[in-house]
Amino acid sequence: SQTIHQWPATLVQPVGSPLSLECTVEGTSNPNLYWYRQAAGRGLQLLFYSVGIGQISSEVPQNLSASRPQDRQFILSSKKLLLSDSGFYLCAWSSGPEAFFGQGTRLTVV
Amino acid sequence: RKEVEQDPGPFNVPEGATVAFNCTYSNSASQSFFWYRQDCRKEPKLLMSVYSSGNEDGRFTAQLNRASQYISLLIRDSKLSDSATYLCVVNFAGNDMRFGAGTRLTVKP
Repeated sequence: SQTIHQWPATLVQPVGSPLSLECTVEGTSNPNLYWYRQAAGRGLQLLFYSVGIGQISSEVPQNLSASRPQDRQFILSSKKLLLSDSGFYLCAWSSGPEAFFGQGTRLTVV
Repeated sequence: RKEVEQDPGPFNVPEGATVAFNCTYSNSASQSFFWYRQDCRKEPKLLMSVYSSGNEDGRFTAQLNRASQYISLLIRDSKLSDSATYLCVVNFAGNDMRFGAGTRLTVKP
């Protein structure tokens, strides 16, 4: 069966520090991968999606970047975090009509 | 125009009420449609798929209107446990999934 792992679950980082969130998928090949952010009390915002290794599409200009070094690995990064980067970050995958989410990372930038 | 648009709410309804959410989408070639449910501080999970002929699952009914490019979710006899955010999801093409920002529902006693 397919599973998705996302870590860490919670993170508190100071302003200006770097960020690296990792997401891996098991049990499927060549999935579409997504990074979403959900600010407190707000809806899901698509940040990046990837249809294959090294293929990244960015939906909104921002302080973040994404990489897909392997077929089932998706990494969200920042060189210098801003206060506005705080939120709930969700990784998701799909290889058919349905999408599946990781458990999310709650990031607080202080 | 947003690719997938929902009324963010919040919808505050009493127990037993019927509530309906709508969602519009921009890509007329979209083939698959879903409603997801997200509980507070949790990841979204699939609630139900939306079929062209409409479909029902207990108290939940989903409908698709391709001509007007919208989908709907109807919840009858609302329960306290229905309180959550409901996300509209459209598969634009292939595996390109697009999510609405979600509609928040609070069911009160």
